[in-house]
Amino acid sequence: QKEVEQNSGPLSVPEGAIASLNCTYSDRGSQSFFWYRQYSGKSPELIMFIYSNGDKEDGRFTAQLNKASQYVSLLIRDSQPSDSATYLCAVNILRSGGYQKVTFGIGTKLQVIP
Amino acid sequence: KAGVTQTPRYLIKTRGQQVTLSCSPISGHRSVSWYQQTPGQGLQFLFEYFSETQRNKGNFPGRFSGRQFSNSRSEMNVSTLELGDSALYLCASSVKKGLAGGGEQFFGPGTRLTVL
Repeated sequence: QKEVEQNSGPLSVPEGAIASLNCTYSDRGSQSFFWYRQYSGKSPELIMFIYSNGDKEDGRFTAQLNKASQYVSLLIRDSQPSDSATYLCAVNILRSGGYQKVTFGIGTKLQVIP
Repeated sequence: KAGVTQTPRYLIKTRGQQVTLSCSPISGHRSVSWYQQTPGQGLQFLFEYFSETQRNKGNFPGRFSGRQFSNSRSEMNVSTLELGDSALYLCASSVKKGLAGGGEQFFGPGTRLTVL
């Protein structure tokens, strides 16, 4: 079982719709969760992070975390063609001694159709 | 505040050669991580440095090594290059906040390595 799993897609949604991106993780010791957006040919950029169960909203983006189900998701409301990119889920595990390990999922490719 | 910088941006090498990549983190960031990104494997963690010490290491062979200097700049080295080492190598920096850590990483533009 992979430590962080994502459906590679592509996920196609019409412009203006809600895009729902999902991620599951295997280590119950996972502490914090991140969503990165990566445009083709560019490096990843952080768009959201969440540490506690529940929802966290930032503009058109909402991150949802359910630690009991080991599930984190990203909702993009009013999707725009400029949102077309690969979305990477990353999980941070705090090890003993204060060390941390960040593991990325394979990424989900999102296509927003005008 | 300047972002993460990586040099060089592009490299072409032949099998058997070695290569050194450089990364300068955001000012004030003491943690530097290195990743290899390929279309088939995604982002794979190589290693992380904090205060000149390697804190964590991924599952890569010993041909991949790194170091961090007192000014937090980091280098990674790949010896005896293989065709499969062709990839985008990304460096990311983050702030460490004691034991809570600081997993929010900021990526540089990457170095595109091609091995012929």
